[in-house]
Amino acid sequence: QQPVQSPQAVILREGEDAVINCSSSKALYSVHWYRQKHGEAPVFLMILLKGGEQKGHEKISASFNEKKQQSSLYLTASQLSYSGTYFCGTEERAAGNKLTFGGGTRVLVKP
Amino acid sequence: DVKVTQSSRYLVKRTGEKVFLECVQDMDHENMFWYRQDPGLGLRLIYFSYDVKMKEKGDIPEGYSVSREKKERFSLILESASTNQTSMYLCASSPGGPKETQYFGPGTRLLVL
Repeated sequence: QQPVQSPQAVILREGEDAVINCSSSKALYSVHWYRQKHGEAPVFLMILLKGGEQKGHEKISASFNEKKQQSSLYLTASQLSYSGTYFCGTEERAAGNKLTFGGGTRVLVKP
Repeated sequence: DVKVTQSSRYLVKRTGEKVFLECVQDMDHENMFWYRQDPGLGLRLIYFSYDVKMKEKGDIPEGYSVSREKKERFSLILESASTNQTSMYLCASSPGGPKETQYFGPGTRLLVL
């Protein structure tokens, strides 16, 4: 079952903040965040691991609530380059990086 | 930098044709994955492979098969293409360690007429 992302879409002005949520019905080992720009491959942003460890982009922040199986991605002081579709991918156990992706959140940052 | 390449960016095929989508990675990754991407549905896993000649079904394997004869190459096969297989197909690879992630190719947009 795919994780649920919310909102489905968000429009921001440059400099504004936004939060993208990812919620799973299953216990998770890790959550991975990607951004995809139109016509391009998804690009890895961040991985959040059970136990609190994080790896990824210095300017992107995210949280992972293991008890609730939820993760949030924070877009702070948004820039035009933040536009794209954001996906969360959830990993149920540490075995082979098999991810289940959410439906995506489309983000548009306007000048 | 990890590089994942896919044989075609755009492909147009007729219903009933056999279609091959090729994916090659140059980082000696253990694992490879095939997804299809449709609006609002995100990325859905078709098949994946943890080793040469090994394959496992993902969430939507019906109508597809795969082949992994060499570590760096993972092929997706549509035995008899149908219009409902019109989609964006993305290939990914990963090293396989517990704190690793997947790296994606640019995708192949397939249109089945």
